[in-house]
Amino acid sequence: GAGVSQSPSNKVTEKGKDVELRCDPISGHTALYWYRQSLGQGLEFLIYFQGNSAPDKSGLPSDRFSAERTGGSVSTLTIQRTQQEDSAVYLCASSLAYLGPQETQYFGPGTRLLVL
Amino acid sequence: LAKTTQPISMDSYEGQEVNITCSHNNIATNDYITWYQQFPSQGPRFIIQGYKTKVTNEVASLFIPADRKSSTLSLPRVSLSDTAVYYCLVAFNQAGTALIFGKGTTLSVSS
Repeated sequence: GAGVSQSPSNKVTEKGKDVELRCDPISGHTALYWYRQSLGQGLEFLIYFQGNSAPDKSGLPSDRFSAERTGGSVSTLTIQRTQQEDSAVYLCASSLAYLGPQETQYFGPGTRLLVL
Repeated sequence: LAKTTQPISMDSYEGQEVNITCSHNNIATNDYITWYQQFPSQGPRFIIQGYKTKVTNEVASLFIPADRKSSTLSLPRVSLSDTAVYYCLVAFNQAGTALIFGKGTTLSVSS
């Protein structure tokens, strides 16, 4: 079956603009995760969803970042008033359920965001 | 502060065994330790996971001491295609909501 897909694959925007990044998880996966990977850095955990609910939003870098998930499927990560330090690869992953590291996550290819 | 530590990079030759250690001092007592592999321009993919002692699958082994303050990924007889970044993933709270990936170890395999 299809894996996790993300769109757009690349996004160039101007500082101050808002951007929306989309993630389509594997069908039937109830858990969905967002990570940020800056150049030369590891993966920074942002947020996860169980169904449509995000139990812990403390990983979001600032209040300019928000995420939602509808219908237990597609998720969007929105960055308002983008800054140059937001430039990174944003990765989405999904898993059958949320059980922490025990649950295998399947990652999408990422969205490369460049803020000029 | 929850943190994991891995070597930044490692070099190896084809056919050698490679061991990558991740230190994680205060991980959740009820959670697994998982390792992922990432190739350039791709998302990470699962390699192996364990809770304690030793786990082996078709691609790797994972050694976890009794105190669970570290874990070692062992890749037997590496090939050029094993050149990638390797991450350990742990949780630092019992709810498992603080997922921490290490900064990753870049493994370069040469012929």
